[in-house]
Amino acid sequence: DTGVSQNPRHKITKRGQNVTFRCDPISEHNRLYWYRQTLGQGPEFLTYFQNEAQLEKSRLLSDRFSAERPKGSFSTLEIQRTEQGDSAMYLCASSLGPRGEQYFGPGTRLTVT
Amino acid sequence: GQQLNQSPQSMFIQEGEDVSMNCTSSSIFNTWLWYKQDPGEGPVLLIALYKAGELTSNGRLTAQFGITRKDSFLNISASIPSDVGIYFCAGPQGGNTGKLIFGQGTTLQVKP
Repeated sequence: DTGVSQNPRHKITKRGQNVTFRCDPISEHNRLYWYRQTLGQGPEFLTYFQNEAQLEKSRLLSDRFSAERPKGSFSTLEIQRTEQGDSAMYLCASSLGPRGEQYFGPGTRLTVT
Repeated sequence: GQQLNQSPQSMFIQEGEDVSMNCTSSSIFNTWLWYKQDPGEGPVLLIALYKAGELTSNGRLTAQFGITRKDSFLNISASIPSDVGIYFCAGPQGGNTGKLIFGQGTTLQVKP
C-alpha cells in the first residue's frame, strides 16, 4: 500500500524563476487536494480536483499559480515568477470522495531566495 | 469564516504522563480529524470522528467528538519520546468540497 508521494522534497529557487511540483496520490483516490503551510501555522487549502476536473481554487492561489491533474492521476502545481512570499511547505493530500479521510504526502519545501 | 482554535498551544511534559488537548469552533462540524506532524514531514492522520459523542481510540490515543459538534478532544496516555510533534485538528469546511480547515496546532515536547 503506497501512500501519497511528492517530488521534489526540497526546492531552492531564485526569485522570478518558475517551479513545478508533482504529487502522486493513492491510486484509487479520486480527490486530490493542494495545501500550503507556513511556519507555525496549520495547512491552508489551495485547490482541489475530483478526477481530472479542478473544482475550486482558494483566493490564496494567485494567477501565478496553476495546477493540473491530467487523466485524473498525478497532479502538478506550477508557480510562475516566484516571490519570496511563496516560500512555504506545499502539501498534497488525497481521499476517496468528499467525506473520505485525507492522507497527506511528505510535502515539498520551497525556499525562494 | 470558520476557524478552529486549539489549546494549549504547546506542552512540555515528562515521559509517562498523560496529555490532553482540545479543539473548538464557533460553528458546527460533521467530521473531526486529528493529525500529527513531525518536522519537515506531512501530517499523518491519527483518528477520524464522524458522529457527535463518538469516542475512538488508536493505541494510546483517544479522541472524542463533542456532543455540541463544536469541539473535539485528543488524549494521549503514557506519553513516550516519539509522541513529540505538532498535533492538528481539522474539519471539512462545509459543502461537498471536502476541503479541510486546520487549527494552529499544539506542540508537544516529551522529556525522557
